[in-house]
Amino acid sequence: ILNVEQSPQSLHVQEGDSTNFTCSFPSSNFYALHWYRWETAKSPEALFVMTLNGDEKKKGRISATLNTKEGYSYLYIKGSQPEDSATYLCAPDNDMRFGAGTRLTVKP
Amino acid sequence: DAGITQSPRHKVTETGTPVTLRCHQTENHRYMYWYRQDPGHGLRLIHYSYGVKDTDKGEVSDGYSVSRSKTEDFLLTLESATSSQTSVYFCATRIRLATDGYTFGSGTRLTVV
Repeated sequence: ILNVEQSPQSLHVQEGDSTNFTCSFPSSNFYALHWYRWETAKSPEALFVMTLNGDEKKKGRISATLNTKEGYSYLYIKGSQPEDSATYLCAPDNDMRFGAGTRLTVKP
Repeated sequence: DAGITQSPRHKVTETGTPVTLRCHQTENHRYMYWYRQDPGHGLRLIHYSYGVKDTDKGEVSDGYSVSRSKTEDFLLTLESATSSQTSVYFCATRIRLATDGYTFGSGTRLTVV
């Protein structure tokens, strides 16, 4: 994988649903992977930084896992709420690129 | 919060005019970046700086130049603005690479008419 790829591009879920999305990144020269949450009309805010293969981070209902050997990370949201609606960006540390993001919309 | 201030917050300019956007930080972060946000592309890196007078190009640097004469200021200049440069521009800083994430400014919305 030469670029950072996030899927799906957008996601619509109902309040209470659990959801997950993927970030794929070049596995060579890996240092760290960052996840950001970006609400409309605001600036991106840091969620997690992950460095070790098999790493799992959790913040409230949001968690993330990391596989550095195959170059992917999953972000999970349990029991989605309308306030979770945002674009979720990932950024591997090796080349300052961000993925295009997954835009999550949670309907009440 | 790195205390990042972007100015102006909004600007409308005419095609062919020069435009300079300013990013000012108060936390003495070494690394500074300019990104542009476009639908379907997320954030794309324009230029970055790894110290005073040390800058380099990102993936979409054509038509842009930067300068960093002081640690706290990183200027982005559009030498001759074009409509394709209509975008929201974000400045970001980092203390160090790897485990430190980016802290973003509030963005500058630039419209080139």
